[in-house]
Amino acid sequence: QQKVQQSPESLSVPEGGMASLNCTSSDRNFQYFWWYRQHSGEGPKALMSIFSDGDKKEGRFTAHLNKASLHVSLHIRDSQPSDSALYFCAASSNNNAGAKLTFGGGTRLTVRP
Amino acid sequence: GGIITQTPKFLIGQEGQKLTLKCQQNFNHDTMYWYRQDSGKGLRLIYYSITENDLQKGDLSEGYDASREKKSSFSLTVTSAQKNEMAVFLCASSIHIQDTQYFGPGTRLLVL
Repeated sequence: QQKVQQSPESLSVPEGGMASLNCTSSDRNFQYFWWYRQHSGEGPKALMSIFSDGDKKEGRFTAHLNKASLHVSLHIRDSQPSDSALYFCAASSNNNAGAKLTFGGGTRLTVRP
Repeated sequence: GGIITQTPKFLIGQEGQKLTLKCQQNFNHDTMYWYRQDSGKGLRLIYYSITENDLQKGDLSEGYDASREKKSSFSLTVTSAQKNEMAVFLCASSIHIQDTQYFGPGTRLLVL
């Protein structure tokens, strides 16, 4: 079983709508989480990181972390066609053995004009 | 700012061939990584290097070698290309191992 699981695999929302992406970890050692976005033909780019329980907002993007349930989510409000991309959740732990990032399988977001 | 350069952009090889992919970064980052991405799926870590002259195996190191020639460059070698193999190899760097990673555009591999 993958240590970082994302849902849904794909998501379609209308322009201006809200997109919600989910990520669950099966490793209690994971303490630090990132969201990355990858447009077609490019490398992934970091959107935001979240290390503490609660919400973190950056522009139209809000991440929410619940360490007790090992769940992190990303919400995109006022979705734009340019938000159409593959979104990855990534996690790492605070010990040397697990310090490297573990990526989830990704959620493909399509924003319909 | 900085940039990560990967060469070549496209690589077509023959079954059994040894193939080398190169990565350069000018962020002055300590840590560099090689990932494999299959057909729009997730990233799997092949090798990483915490600092110059360091080399650590990732989850997918079998069939690959890596070399951190200097702080700014990290090479990956496919030791024996597998027929019909098709993947994108992504290089990344970060200040330290737990920091945000910055990715290059990738090298697209096709083995005939």
